[in-house]
Amino acid sequence: EDKVVQSPLSLVVHEGDTVTLNCSYEVTNFRSLLWYKQEKKAPTFLFMLTSSGIEKKSGRLSSILDKKELFSILNITATQTGDSAVYLCAVLYFSGGGADGLTFGKGTHLIIQP
Amino acid sequence: EPEVTQTPSHQVTQMGQEVILRCVPISNHLYFYWYRQILGQKVEFLVSFYNNEISEKSEIFDDQFSVERPDGSNFTLKIRSTKLEDSAMYFCASSDPDRTEETQYFGPGTRLLVL
Repeated sequence: EDKVVQSPLSLVVHEGDTVTLNCSYEVTNFRSLLWYKQEKKAPTFLFMLTSSGIEKKSGRLSSILDKKELFSILNITATQTGDSAVYLCAVLYFSGGGADGLTFGKGTHLIIQP
Repeated sequence: EPEVTQTPSHQVTQMGQEVILRCVPISNHLYFYWYRQILGQKVEFLVSFYNNEISEKSEIFDDQFSVERPDGSNFTLKIRSTKLEDSAMYFCASSDPDRTEETQYFGPGTRLLVL
């Protein structure tokens, strides 16, 4: 079963709109949650969230984690066509080993129309 | 800004052939990872590597896969006898040894097509 669930799976909005992308997770021994942006190839890092309630911001993007309800949101304000991409949520948890792999959701495909 | 690099960018091979995908992680990173993404599907963890040995591996990483750090800079993924279902984008990633910063940085990927 999926441990990381993203919604919506796709979203089409107009330039200037604000969007909220959701990520819920169900893992034990949670360590951190990461957001990536995937345009053509490699996922590029956006945020890493470890603590609840602390908003991380980078320009028009912001994200917050709720460890009690096991979800995170990624907000993008004043969207631009360059924000069109697949946004990936990934969770890192303690598996007992050393270097633990990320568990990804299916992603939200965001399309910004001019 | 330092980045993860991967070669080749594209690889086409015949079923049953061996392929080696190469990665150069960020220079001061000590944790290395391979992921794959089958077209239209999510990114999946394959294996992680630390201190010259496998740290974790998923059920996808079976006996036909192996990883190696042959020198101080390269990190390779070998698929011994490729199958059609191995066709995917393969991403290498690395992360900093400082455990307070666990961000994994991804390379541009190698698109593998098995015919």
